[in-house]
Amino acid sequence: KAGVTQTPRYLIKTRGQQVTLSCSPISGHRSVSWYQQTPGQGLQFLFEYFSETQRNKGNFPGRFSGRQFSNSRSEMNVSTLELGDSALYLCASRVEGQGTEAFFGQGTRLTVV
Amino acid sequence: AQSVTQLGSHVSVSEGALVLLRCNYSSSVPPYLFWYVQYPNQGLQLLLKYTSAATLVKGINGFEAEFKKSETSFHLTKPSAHMSDAAEYFCAPPYNQGGKLIFGQGTELSVKP
Repeated sequence: KAGVTQTPRYLIKTRGQQVTLSCSPISGHRSVSWYQQTPGQGLQFLFEYFSETQRNKGNFPGRFSGRQFSNSRSEMNVSTLELGDSALYLCASRVEGQGTEAFFGQGTRLTVV
Repeated sequence: AQSVTQLGSHVSVSEGALVLLRCNYSSSVPPYLFWYVQYPNQGLQLLLKYTSAATLVKGINGFEAEFKKSETSFHLTKPSAHMSDAAEYFCAPPYNQGGKLIFGQGTELSVKP
């Protein structure tokens, strides 16, 4: 069974640009969550999608958005990139239900210059 | 909502020594708790999960954790550290608001030869 796949693995963007990151969950997983990880802030929850609907959202500005498609694949978009957006972005998928395990992709390392 | 606190952002042990990573949970007894591990340049993977079925939980790579209600703790231990255990470890409470998984601050484990 294939794991969670995130593309691309590495990305370098210029301040002011926008970026789209992709996440393909494990087959059958309808919940997809996104996290931002930085040395100073640790793992911060961005948002969670379930059946194409955003179910939860973290405390991030509106420049951060996402969506989920009918096949459960998810994308997140960051517009007007800032230097502080440089981070590892992690995607996780899981089967719906209490106490189910979240499976993580390897992440996309975004560097904003 | 449940939350967890990890004591010590960085722990350093010698190879062969006991590993103890601390996690305390808040408020009421949770139905489950997680420990995840993140190796360098990787996503997170589940190390072990507590459910009410057993207070002593065994995980991968020789790790185990004991749920202690009297101490509101779920500390992670390993009798003998190996160099390959060097990683960041995250404790996590049950999902909040449906699918929002909020991690502890993380503890970076270093293993000295």
